[in-house]
Amino acid sequence: ETGVTQTPRHLVMGMTNKKSLKCEQHLGHNAMYWYKQSAKKPLELMFVYSLEERVENNSVPSRFSPECPNSSHLFLHLHTLQPEDSALYLCASSHGTGGPTDTQYFGPGTRLTVL
Amino acid sequence: GQNIDQPTEMTATEGAIVQINCTYQTSGFNGLFWYQQHAGEAPTFLSYNVLDGLEEKGRFSSFLSRSKGYSYLLLKELQMKDSASYLCAVEDSNYQLIWGAGTKLIIKP
Repeated sequence: ETGVTQTPRHLVMGMTNKKSLKCEQHLGHNAMYWYKQSAKKPLELMFVYSLEERVENNSVPSRFSPECPNSSHLFLHLHTLQPEDSALYLCASSHGTGGPTDTQYFGPGTRLTVL
Repeated sequence: GQNIDQPTEMTATEGAIVQINCTYQTSGFNGLFWYQQHAGEAPTFLSYNVLDGLEEKGRFSSFLSRSKGYSYLLLKELQMKDSASYLCAVEDSNYQLIWGAGTKLIIKP
């Protein structure tokens, strides 16, 4: 399944670094999502974009900055992160229509470690 | 608040049947999803229920009771490759997905 790709797959960064996560979807979807997945916790929705407009921002710290230049690409810019930000960051996409046909398809994730 | 509950971990034997339960309390209901996630991989869509009853897809079936706020995922003829985490998610009245923490299923020979 290569409908949603994410790079890099693994990232180790210091607290003073700046890095970016990239997501690309090849499914013709209109909505894209960033999630944070920590061990034994539910997926936490961070950002939602629909037709390149941000429609959801669940009180995410400003050290996480999303960018959606077009409906196929989504970035998450990271700066001055904290060790507790270490987690698996998942990107997903969907048709964006809501309702029964709006299944989300996930990328493989970026495993982020903040030292 | 909104809440999804599912067991943290379950163990079953190859060839057997296992039922993974999910209970939910959400602001509205527009459907319930089950996803499978192997370690280090992306969650993949398994099933969707919006009406009460059982939906069958090969070895996997999913059941929903909206009045009880309850669903289960039934896996038959278990195979070693079924070892994974199973995530339950409910779509609320705003079409936002509320996720459970996942059930880690361990299959033993």
